Amino acid sequence: DAGVTQSPTHLIKTRGQQVTLRCSPKSGHDTVSWYQQALGQGPQFIFQYYEEEERQRGNFPDRFSGHQFPNYSSELNVNALLLGDSALYLCASSLGTLNEQFFGPGTRLTVL
Amino acid sequence: KQEVTQIPAALSVPEGENLVLNCSFTDSAIYNLQWFRQDPGKGLTSLLLIQSSQREQTSGRLNASLDKSSGRSTLYIAASQPGDSATYLCAVGPLRGNNRLAFGKGNQVVVIP
Repeated sequence: DAGVTQSPTHLIKTRGQQVTLRCSPKSGHDTVSWYQQALGQGPQFIFQYYEEEERQRGNFPDRFSGHQFPNYSSELNVNALLLGDSALYLCASSLGTLNEQFFGPGTRLTVL
Repeated sequence: KQEVTQIPAALSVPEGENLVLNCSFTDSAIYNLQWFRQDPGKGLTSLLLIQSSQREQTSGRLNASLDKSSGRSTLYIAASQPGDSATYLCAVGPLRGNNRLAFGKGNQVVVIP
């Protein structure tokens, strides 16, 4: 049974560029949440998708957007990258919006 | 806004000692509490999940307690081993109508052989 998978593993971009990160949930899960973890900090909630809709959103600007596909996989898009967007981006999946969340290995984004 | 605090931020213990990690949160209206382990540069591994109606959960050498009324949870790791060296994160949620997990900054643990 595959767990949560994320791609790519690492990514290097320059300021102003756009990036797309991808997440496949654990088998049987229908909800995907995205978190940003800066170095030395705990993860911060970006948003959650359920039934292909954004259900909750954290305190992140509109440059951060997402999508959920009919197969429950999800994408996180970040436009106009800033140096401060450098972080580990974590995807978590769950069955429904209130149950235990299982995390993927993350995507390390470096913005130069 | 839910605030989660973990104390101490970092600690070192000799191998074989028991580890006690503390987590406090400001809003007791939580649905569950999870403890995670994170190795450097890696994702999160779920260790224990405590539902709001439960007082504790155990898995092997790990035991986590939850006191909602005081807004506290404690993770105990018995007979620590060098392989236990990692950062341990506490997360609470989701609250009713608020599906996000709120994390502390973590307890960075080093077990000295």
